[in-house]
Amino acid sequence: GAGVSQSPRYKVAKRGQDVALRCDPISGHVSLFWYQQALGQGPEFLTYFQNEAQLDKSGLPSDRFFAERPEGSVSTLKIQRTQKEDSAVYLCASSLGTASYGYTFGSGTRLTVV
Amino acid sequence: AQSVSQHNHHVILSEAASLELGCNYSYGGTVNLFWYVQYPGQHLQLLLKYFSGDPLVKGIKGFEAEFIKSKFSFNLRKPSVQWSDTAEYFCAVNGDTGGFKTIFGAGTRLFVKA
Repeated sequence: GAGVSQSPRYKVAKRGQDVALRCDPISGHVSLFWYQQALGQGPEFLTYFQNEAQLDKSGLPSDRFFAERPEGSVSTLKIQRTQKEDSAVYLCASSLGTASYGYTFGSGTRLTVV
Repeated sequence: AQSVSQHNHHVILSEAASLELGCNYSYGGTVNLFWYVQYPGQHLQLLLKYFSGDPLVKGIKGFEAEFIKSKFSFNLRKPSVQWSDTAEYFCAVNGDTGGFKTIFGAGTRLFVKA
């Protein structure tokens, strides 16, 4: 597609519920990144994929967070047993090459845990 | 630790005023520097980037930024702002020692009065 597509745009989850957030990057973009943006803050790195390989997951805040990109295109970020502190906007970005190219961001998924 | 500091969280200007948004970074190594912009209701977009060569970088919509290596700075400038420049601006850095992640500042909210 023309841009990075994320779904759903909004998600309300009850505490303890599992959620799955989807990212459809620009076709042909090798690199895919997930970021978490809390209210009033800049995006914080979660994880990075090059094709289907997850090369860096150092930003995932706990083992409740899991990301995958099995065929090197669409990616899913899963959060198990959601907590209130997981409430944030989750941003997906893709890039033709490495991070020095700059990113194309999706519109994000706003997750609210109640 | 790698970090990005944006000097102002909120800036209010009148149309035609000049703009300078400060950005300092802490990063040990060769850097790539970026400014991203988020207009109200839209996703983050790349405004301009520096990775080598001329330290004065020109971006879209009349914006420019200057990389001053000795000051670890990458300030964003525009000679004359317009109401349509109202947005949030994020400075970001990545490079050869940080793996694949890009580090973002907390953002500066710019409001331009018509």
